[in-house]
Amino acid sequence: AQSVTQLDSQVPVFEEAPVELRCNYSSSVSVYLFWYVQYPNQGLQLLLKYLSGSTLVESINGFEAEFNKSQTSFHLRKPSVHISDTAEYFCAVRVNWDSSASKIIFGSGTRLSIRP
Amino acid sequence: DVKVTQSSRYLVKRTGEKVFLECVQDMDHENMFWYRQDPGLGLRLIYFSYDVKMKEKGDIPEGYSVSREKKERFSLILESASTNQTSMYLCASSTRTNEKLFFGSGTQLSVL
Repeated sequence: AQSVTQLDSQVPVFEEAPVELRCNYSSSVSVYLFWYVQYPNQGLQLLLKYLSGSTLVESINGFEAEFNKSQTSFHLRKPSVHISDTAEYFCAVRVNWDSSASKIIFGSGTRLSIRP
Repeated sequence: DVKVTQSSRYLVKRTGEKVFLECVQDMDHENMFWYRQDPGLGLRLIYFSYDVKMKEKGDIPEGYSVSREKKERFSLILESASTNQTSMYLCASSTRTNEKLFFGSGTQLSVL
């Protein structure tokens, strides 16, 4: 069965330090991969996605993720974090259900906390 | 902007009650989803629907049922609420290709 594994439940980092949030997926077919973010007391929203093409995708607030097929990974990185990046981050994969339908499966989430 | 509206932000119910959670989207999306979010477990898919009157089980359907009589509305039903169904319930919708999910603000359900 397809699944998503987020290896770290919590990641504390200092402000302006780099961060990597790890995500591995299992899938035997072509994948769509996503990172969603949930800021404190807010709803989930899409941060970035890989559908096809360039394996490196970027968000508008400086995050990037690289699709690595050989390692079945889609790690999220940012070279310098800010207090405003404090949030819970969820990796997700689209799983095809049949020829016309699909579903989205999420990982268990990584809580990123930024220390001043 | 797409709007996904969940009928209640907080609900408190008693064990054994029948509970209805309603979700409405305004963008004519084909797909709708119900997840529950629990600390340390992330989002787990309960049910999803890819068309009117169509429904498919997710990873944790036990104790739940759904109804989609109209394209814009997707209801989650707890036939007989139990304490282990205390959770945050999230509804989402998307187009058929699922390239982006739009989430509601969630319903925090407490079953006493």
